[in-house]
Amino acid sequence: EAGVAQSPRYKIIEKRQSVAFWCNPISGHATLYWYQQILGQGPKLLIQFQNNGVVDDSQLPKDRFSAERLKGVDSTLKIQPAKLEDSAVYLCASSLEAMYQPQHFGDGTRLSIL
Amino acid sequence: GESVGLHLPTLSVQEGDNSIINCAYSNSASDYFIWYKQESGKGPQFIIDIRSNMDKRQGQRVTVLLNKTVKHLSLQIAATQPGDSAVYFCAENRNAGGTSYGKLTFGQGTILTVHP
Repeated sequence: EAGVAQSPRYKIIEKRQSVAFWCNPISGHATLYWYQQILGQGPKLLIQFQNNGVVDDSQLPKDRFSAERLKGVDSTLKIQPAKLEDSAVYLCASSLEAMYQPQHFGDGTRLSIL
Repeated sequence: GESVGLHLPTLSVQEGDNSIINCAYSNSASDYFIWYKQESGKGPQFIIDIRSNMDKRQGQRVTVLLNKTVKHLSLQIAATQPGDSAVYFCAENRNAGGTSYGKLTFGQGTILTVHP
C-alpha cells in the first residue's frame, strides 16, 4: 500500500512570499489532516478534512493560511504571505475515518523562511 | 490546560535491553491513544494504538499499557535494536463528540538512543 505522498520536500522562500504544499493521501482514506511541526515539538493540527469538507480548522491562522480538498482526495495547503515564524515542517496525514483510526503521515515539507 | 507530556525527554539503552517510554495525559475525556516513532527527516510512523476500554495491547516487540486511574500511558519495546533509535511521541484524542474525533494532541517526544 502506497503511503501519504507530499511535495515538495523542501522549500525556501523569503518572508511575505507565498508557498503551496501538496498532499496525496492513502487511497480510500476519507479523513485528511495538515499539521505543523516546529523543531523540537510534536505536530500541531492545523486543519482536518472529512472527504472534501472541513471538519476542524480552529487552529489554522486563516489570515494567511488556506487549505482545500476539492475532490475529496488530494489537498493543498497555502501560506500567503509567509512570516518568519512559519518556518516548520508541514505534515499531511490521512486515516480511513476520523474515529478510532490511526493517522498515517507523509514525510512532510520542510519550509524555511528567510 | 490540557496536555500530553512525557516524563523523560531522553532515554539511552543498550542493544537487546527492553525500553520503556512513559507519557502522562491530563484529560480524562481522552479515549484513544497512539504511539508514533519519528526518525530524522521523516514523518511520524504509526507504532500502536489503544482505546480507553483496554488496559494493554501488544504488537510486534511493542506493548502499550494504559492506566486510566493515573492517566498514564507507556510504550514498552522488547529487545531494543539500534534501528529503534528515534523520537517517540504519544498522542491522545479527547472525546468531546462531534468534530473532536481525529483531533490528536501530541506530547513533546522522547529521544530514544540505542547503543550497540
